[in-house]
Amino acid sequence: GAVVSQHPSRVICKSGTSVKIECRSLDFQATTMFWYRQFPKQSLMLMATSNEGSKATYEQGVEKDKFLINHASLTLSTLTVTSAHPEDSSFYICSARELVGYNEQFFGPGTRLTVL
Amino acid sequence: LAKTTQPISMDSYEGQEVNITCSHNNIATNDYITWYQQFPSQGPRFIIQGYKTKVTNEVASLFIPADRKSSTLSLPRVSLSDTAVYYCLVGDGNRDDKIIFGKGTRLHILP
Repeated sequence: GAVVSQHPSRVICKSGTSVKIECRSLDFQATTMFWYRQFPKQSLMLMATSNEGSKATYEQGVEKDKFLINHASLTLSTLTVTSAHPEDSSFYICSARELVGYNEQFFGPGTRLTVL
Repeated sequence: LAKTTQPISMDSYEGQEVNITCSHNNIATNDYITWYQQFPSQGPRFIIQGYKTKVTNEVASLFIPADRKSSTLSLPRVSLSDTAVYYCLVGDGNRDDKIIFGKGTRLHILP
């Protein structure tokens, strides 16, 4: 099946720094990628939808200036958490939708962000 | 707003068959039903997908009644490693279709 990777798998940073998370579709092209956030014992919460070559669409309540999303190619999307604070600590998961067929959504392994 | 409703949690024993039902009363004509499994600190993993009647693969079966307002994921002979959260999702898979997760079902398999 199609594979989506994320890098890094886990990151620890100091409050006030920015962190970039990469999401790659390894063996398929994805016009659309999604970013989710998941807190402990909770479900995945959709943060934004990222379409290649255009601006991301953010869900209500998600600060677009804090969570910068760039989808520069059909295989790469990045999420930058700017000026991270402890409350941004969470598990971030991306998914990618394949161009052809049903457009099934494939999920990455997630990135654990801890802000000290 | 999530389109699906599932039991919050279920317990079962090793070797048993487990059935998890999902309600999706407002499912649209073009929507498919997809089930994902998630282990702690991992991304969701695709289990099975269907549109109507019954679908079976090597890990599960999916039963969908004629009105498609619900579906049941059936896991045969579960083991401890099937302890996970299971999500039922509906969507038409088009480019702009957003997959909104419900709360999922936390399945706990006991020895």
